[in-house]
Amino acid sequence: GAGVSQSPSNKVTEKGKDVELRCDPISGHTALYWYRQRLGQGLEFLIYFQGNSAPDKSGLPSDRFSAERTGESVSTLTIQRTQQEDSAVYLCASSLALTGLHEQYFGPGTRLTVT
Amino acid sequence: QKEVEQDPGPLSVPEGAIVSLNCTYSNSAFQYFMWYRQYSRKGPELLMYTYSSGNKEDGRFTAQVDKSSKYISLFIRDSQPSDSATYLCATRLEGGGSNYKLTFGKGTLLTVNP
Repeated sequence: GAGVSQSPSNKVTEKGKDVELRCDPISGHTALYWYRQRLGQGLEFLIYFQGNSAPDKSGLPSDRFSAERTGESVSTLTIQRTQQEDSAVYLCASSLALTGLHEQYFGPGTRLTVT
Repeated sequence: QKEVEQDPGPLSVPEGAIVSLNCTYSNSAFQYFMWYRQYSRKGPELLMYTYSSGNKEDGRFTAQVDKSSKYISLFIRDSQPSDSATYLCATRLEGGGSNYKLTFGKGTLLTVNP
């Protein structure tokens, strides 16, 4: 079946511009996560959605970062006034909200380069 | 100190070698311990997980967790060139809600040479 998809796969933007990154989770997955992977670093948690609400935004690095989710499906991560340190791969994951492992399935990521 | 420490390598081994990958963590409340494999330009995929301490074996792969020393290991037997990837350890807390978020190590880049 279809996995998690993300678009665009690559994005090059100029410093100061806004960008929107999109995530389409696996159908029926109620939980959705955004992570960031900077060069030479592990994945860093950004935000967690349960349905359309975001009970944990603790990983968002600044108020330039925001995310929303609509219809318990698509999510967009928006970065305003991009900075060079925002360059990273942004990964989205989704999972069923069940007990136990709650396995997260990852998309291929969006590679963001801020010049 | 980062919550999960992992030697980024790189690690290069000949085909057929036994590979040992390791992580340490600092939060004794972590209860789930996972190993993800990430090929170049792809998202991570779950390879194995362990709940609390103990060993788990799946084919050529063995995951071990020692909670007393806060040490996580992955062993790969008879390594193959197709095992060449970045291996990420990850942990999380027990329970639901935002406890589901994962804390990752930096990842170890493994190359298995034919």
